[in-house]
Amino acid sequence: AQSVTQPDIHITVSEGASLELRCNYSYGATPYLFWYVQSPGQGLQLLLKYFSGDTLVQGIKGFEAEFKRSQSSFNLRKPSVHWSDAAEYFCAVEHPGTYKYIFGTGTRLKVLA
Amino acid sequence: NAGVTQTPKFQVLKTGQSMTLQCAQDMNHEYMSWYRQDPGMGLRLIHYSVGAGITDQGEVPNGYNVSRSTTEDFPLRLLSAAPSQTSVYFCASSSGSDTQYFGPGTRLTVL
Repeated sequence: AQSVTQPDIHITVSEGASLELRCNYSYGATPYLFWYVQSPGQGLQLLLKYFSGDTLVQGIKGFEAEFKRSQSSFNLRKPSVHWSDAAEYFCAVEHPGTYKYIFGTGTRLKVLA
Repeated sequence: NAGVTQTPKFQVLKTGQSMTLQCAQDMNHEYMSWYRQDPGMGLRLIHYSVGAGITDQGEVPNGYNVSRSTTEDFPLRLLSAAPSQTSVYFCASSSGSDTQYFGPGTRLTVL
């Protein structure tokens, strides 16, 4: 069955430290890949997406993600975390053209001052 | 543009009651969807629509109905509410397989 795994439920980092959030997917073919962020009490906002081409994708707020086909991964990174990055992060996939998105269970990020 | 709007923001129902969660978008997106968000389970797709008059089931459709008579609106109906439907519901829209724009959510409690 198609699935998305975010193995880290909670992550705590100090402000200014680097960040990597993991995402692995199980799919028959390369899906479209997305990272969304959800601030408390809010809806989700797209950080970045990958459809094809360059495997290193730049997004908003200084985030980037790298698609690794051999590892079925799409990990999110940021070189220096800001206190305002504290939120919940969701990885999502879509088999192209099906409109059926599958979300991971999320990683909640806490940032220490 | 207002983007994606959802009403109500909060709702408390008794078991067996019915209600409709409203969702509207003003971006002329053909694709709209409903998700529920439960702690530790991420977002799960309930129903989706690829255009007016076209709907399909997602991962967790039981207990919910949808219809899409216009491009702008995509209401979600709970026919007979159950405590298991206590959740936060999000509506989203997009132009094809692309960025989904999410509404602010409806927090539903079923007693």
